[in-house]
Amino acid sequence: EIVLTQSPGTLSLSPGERATLSCRASQSVTGNYLAWYQQKPGQAPRLLIYDALSRATGIPDRFSGSGSETDFSLTISRLEPEDFAVYYCQQYGGSPYTFGQGTKLEIK
Amino acid sequence: QVHLLQSGIEVKTRGAAVKVSCKASGYTFTSYGISWVRQAPGQGLEWMGWISAYNGNTNYAQKFQGRVTMTTDTSTSTAYMELRSLRSDDTAMYYCARDGLWFGLDPWGQGTLVTVSS
Repeated sequence: EIVLTQSPGTLSLSPGERATLSCRASQSVTGNYLAWYQQKPGQAPRLLIYDALSRATGIPDRFSGSGSETDFSLTISRLEPEDFAVYYCQQYGGSPYTFGQGTKLEIK
Repeated sequence: QVHLLQSGIEVKTRGAAVKVSCKASGYTFTSYGISWVRQAPGQGLEWMGWISAYNGNTNYAQKFQGRVTMTTDTSTSTAYMELRSLRSDDTAMYYCARDGLWFGLDPWGQGTLVTVSS
C-alpha cells in the first residue's frame, strides 16, 4: 500500500500569508490520482483538489495543487480566516486508497 | 445539488454489528460508486472500502475483510455499510462519499457517530 507522509504536521501562519503543504508518497501515484481535502472541526472533509492539480467545483482559485509521481503540494496563495483547518492528501490511483496523516494550519 | 444524508448516531456493545445508511440525491446514483471512510476521535481518515452503485462490485480494505459488508439499494438510491464484531477501537465517525473513481471523493455525507461500549 502507498504510504503518504504530509509535512509539516502543523503550520502557523497569519491571514494574508502564503501556505505551502507537502505530501510525499512512498511510491509513484498511478495517474497522479492525488486529492486534497479540507476538514474543519465538527465537519466532514471537503474536496479541494483532484488529479493533483484540478480544483473541485466551487473552490476559490487561491487554492492550487501541483506535483507528480511521489511529490505533491497544496498552495494557498493568500490565507483567509476561513482557511485555517486540517488538510489531508489522499491517493486513489491504487487500492487501498490511502490518506496522509494531515497538516493542521493554525493562526499565528 | 448533490447530497448524501447518513443515518443517526449509533451506540453498540462490543461484539454487536452496526449498519449505517447513506441516501444519495441530486445525481444518477448508478453512475458512481460510494466509498466509506472512518475517523476515530482526534485521528486521521481511514478508507474502509468502495462499492459500485452500478453493479454492486466491492473492494474492501484488507483490514476490514470478513467484517464489513457494503451494499446498495438502487430503488432508493441508498448505500449501506455493515460492520460486525464491533470492538472498542471501532468507535469513530463513519462517512460515506460519492466516488467517481478518478475525481476524488465528493461530496461527503455528514457522518454517523458509532460508539462501541462494553
